[in-house]
Amino acid sequence: AQSVAQPEDQVNVAEGNPLTVKCTYSVSGNPYLFWYVQYPNRGLQFLLKYITGDNLVKGSYGFEAEFNKSQTSFHLKKPSALVSDSALYFCAVRRLKLSFGAGTTVTVRA
Amino acid sequence: EAQVTQNPRYLITVTGKKLTVTCSQNMNHEYMSWYRQDPGLGLRQIYYSMNVEVTDKGDVPEGYKVSRKEKRNFPLILESPSPNQTSLYFCASSPMNSNYGYTFGSGTRLTVV
Repeated sequence: AQSVAQPEDQVNVAEGNPLTVKCTYSVSGNPYLFWYVQYPNRGLQFLLKYITGDNLVKGSYGFEAEFNKSQTSFHLKKPSALVSDSALYFCAVRRLKLSFGAGTTVTVRA
Repeated sequence: EAQVTQNPRYLITVTGKKLTVTCSQNMNHEYMSWYRQDPGLGLRQIYYSMNVEVTDKGDVPEGYKVSRKEKRNFPLILESPSPNQTSLYFCASSPMNSNYGYTFGSGTRLTVV
């Protein structure tokens, strides 16, 4: 079985501050991990993925994520958040199917 | 442009009236899947297909049917919709290789009254 947990329903930060969205996973074997973002009334857009190699993965829109095998975590980060980063963020793990966390709503205030 | 196309985007229907949501992809992907999105529950898989004529249940298949007669199409059928199927539905496709994420359609917001 595979599962993803996003422990925070909401994250609120001020523009210009660092943003972190937390994710932990459970899967047998090597994890293939993904982050997606959903803007209001839109579909899901791919941000980044970890398959193997460097634990720090860089993705779209200045986002990056750090894979930590010992803590089974894959936290999403952005050094300086923008108001336009306000959206719903999903962490996911894939073996065959893609299993999603419940999502974290990020609000960046001006 | 590589994409997954869902139709319709919005649909309001009455309980018990059969409906079909279409999904088509132009990337020659083997794997296709349907998800429903509900607040606080994330995305839950309804059905998936690994190739033509190969379909299987996901986590929440009750009340839904699918078919995969052609590689590019994967329609979702609600034979007798009920209000608890009011949700936002997404179709997705990908290569079979787990290294890849999914490409998602724009979503179908279904309301059953």
